[in-house]
Amino acid sequence: GAGVSQSPRYKVAKRGQDVALRCDPISGHVSLFWYQQALGQGPEFLTYFQNEAQLDKSGLPSDRFFAERPEGSVSTLKIQRTQQEDSAVYLCASSPRMLPYEQYFGPGTRLTVT
Amino acid sequence: KQEVTQIPAALSVPEGENLVLNCSFTDSAIYNLQWFRQDPGKGLTSLLLIQSSQREQTSGRLNASLDKSSGRSTLYIAASQPGDSATYLCAVKNDNDMRFGAGTRLTVKP
Repeated sequence: GAGVSQSPRYKVAKRGQDVALRCDPISGHVSLFWYQQALGQGPEFLTYFQNEAQLDKSGLPSDRFFAERPEGSVSTLKIQRTQQEDSAVYLCASSPRMLPYEQYFGPGTRLTVT
Repeated sequence: KQEVTQIPAALSVPEGENLVLNCSFTDSAIYNLQWFRQDPGKGLTSLLLIQSSQREQTSGRLNASLDKSSGRSTLYIAASQPGDSATYLCAVKNDNDMRFGAGTRLTVKP
């Protein structure tokens, strides 16, 4: 079956632009997570959804970051007024049930802010 | 705040060798610990998941152990192959979030 997919795979944005990153979780998965992975580092948690409810957004680095999952399936991570320090790979993961089950990761979106 | 450390940061071994990757964490109140593999430019592939009540999990040539009380996990790879070359990440789950180590970059030389 299909895994987690993310689009676009690569995104180059000029500083100050807004970007939207999409995540399609595995069908039927209840939980969805976003992570930010800087070069040479492990992923850092950004936010977590259970169905359409955003239960934890404590990892979002600033109010320029916004995530939504309006129908409990596809999720979008939006970054407004991008800065160079936002350059990273953004990973999405989904899990079939509520915590603490295994997470399945997408390939990530590599964002480069110039 | 949970902190996860992986040692060594990089490891190079000849093909066929057995090896151990280490992961330590500061908060033992975890739900589970997961080992991942990451190939360059790719997402994470889950290798093994150990629930907090378990001591180890095995899959093929991989064996992961968990000692919650000491805040440690090891990933044992038997008879390493060049195809095992990748970055290996461990991650621990507390409540809603998952904390990752920085990874160990493994190179297996033919």
